[in-house]
Amino acid sequence: NAGVMQNPRHLVRRRGQEARLRCSPMKGHSHVYWYRQLPEEGLKFMVYLQKENIIDESGMPKERFSAEFPKEGPSILRIQQVVRGDSAAYFCASSVLDSSYNEQFFGPGTRLTVL
Amino acid sequence: DQQVKQNSPSLSVQEGRISILNCDYTNSMFDYFLWYKKYPAEGPTFLISISSIKDKNEDGRFTVFLNKSAKHLSLHIVPSQPGDSAVYFCAASGGNQFYFGTGTSLTVIP
Repeated sequence: NAGVMQNPRHLVRRRGQEARLRCSPMKGHSHVYWYRQLPEEGLKFMVYLQKENIIDESGMPKERFSAEFPKEGPSILRIQQVVRGDSAAYFCASSVLDSSYNEQFFGPGTRLTVL
Repeated sequence: DQQVKQNSPSLSVQEGRISILNCDYTNSMFDYFLWYKKYPAEGPTFLISISSIKDKNEDGRFTVFLNKSAKHLSLHIVPSQPGDSAVYFCAASGGNQFYFGTGTSLTVIP
């Protein structure tokens, strides 16, 4: 059973470009979470999705950031018009059920560098 | 607003001794707590958890203690091994979100 997969592992973008980060949850998991880790900081919750639904996006910046988890295919975190401050490691996690009393399994992360 | 805090950014321990990692939280509504271990260039991996109805949970060399009145939890690793060297994050949840601390980098010296 493959774990949570994220690609690309490293992504370099110039300011103003778009970044697309992909996350394939573990088989059988229908709950996906995205986190961002800035240098010297902990993981910060961004968004929680179930298939075709955004459940909680309270951690997402209001502009330029969006996420989806379609019925088929991976979850996508999209950052439009990237700025240097978007440089960070982005982790996704999945779980079988919602977060209550259930561990989340993390992917290896995508390290975004904005030049 | 950091709801989960790990005030020690780093910790060094001799192999065979006990490692104690600490975590404080501010939200009394949190009812589920976890510890994750992270190696460089990898995602966090789950280590151990505890719900608020318990004050202790043990799994092999790892024990998590929860003090609800102090809003404090700790992870004990005994005996510590060089392979335990990693960054340890505590996390707390009261619903959909997990709140993570900033991590403690543990180095176990052979």
